[in-house]
Amino acid sequence: DQQVKQNSPSLSVQEGRISILNCDYTNSMFDYFLWYKKYPAEGPTFLISISSIKDKNEDGRFTVFLNKSAKHLSLHIVPSQPGDSAVYFCAASLGGSNYKLTFGKGTLLTVNP
Amino acid sequence: GAVVSQHPSRVICKSGTSVKIECRSLDFQATTMFWYRQFPKQSLMLMATSNEGSKATYEQGVEKDKFLINHASLTLSTLTVTSAHPEDSSFYICSARGLAALSLETQYFGPGTRLLVL
Repeated sequence: DQQVKQNSPSLSVQEGRISILNCDYTNSMFDYFLWYKKYPAEGPTFLISISSIKDKNEDGRFTVFLNKSAKHLSLHIVPSQPGDSAVYFCAASLGGSNYKLTFGKGTLLTVNP
Repeated sequence: GAVVSQHPSRVICKSGTSVKIECRSLDFQATTMFWYRQFPKQSLMLMATSNEGSKATYEQGVEKDKFLINHASLTLSTLTVTSAHPEDSSFYICSARGLAALSLETQYFGPGTRLLVL
């Protein structure tokens, strides 16, 4: 049972345009969500996060939106740059003493010059 | 800040040997470290969670006698793959969570270790 789903395995956008990466979750107990960026053969790099008490968090070109009623979050990157090309993972946490993260399968973003 | 290193980055070993992978938090104290495994084009699969000074908590289906985890200090955790077999070949990634994090939920990842068992 996959609790965090990224239904689009890949996304291609033009440089300068907006990239929108989507993530859905099934467990309503998740209270913290994170986005990571990963290049091949490297560890994930933390991008941005959002608490369940908020619906938006912005950091530079990156904005994460959370819709709790729909159990959906999205990452917006604007403007997109070729260097943004990577796999983006959505992750969710239940909180508690272990803070385990549940990851989606990732979306490969390709930004074309 | 919040840098995590892993060593080695790549290792090739013979079947039946043991391999140790180190994970270090370089500029913060990691109260909790996590070990993940990633298969090609798949998500990160959590193997175990370790808190400094206590035994690791393994996820269901992960053999604790095969994947030995030691978290002896607040900056170092090790994963030893014992009696490695070709099916253990994978990309192993550690992460750390600590007081340097933006929030207690944020994990910072190491660069990963590519293990190839011949």
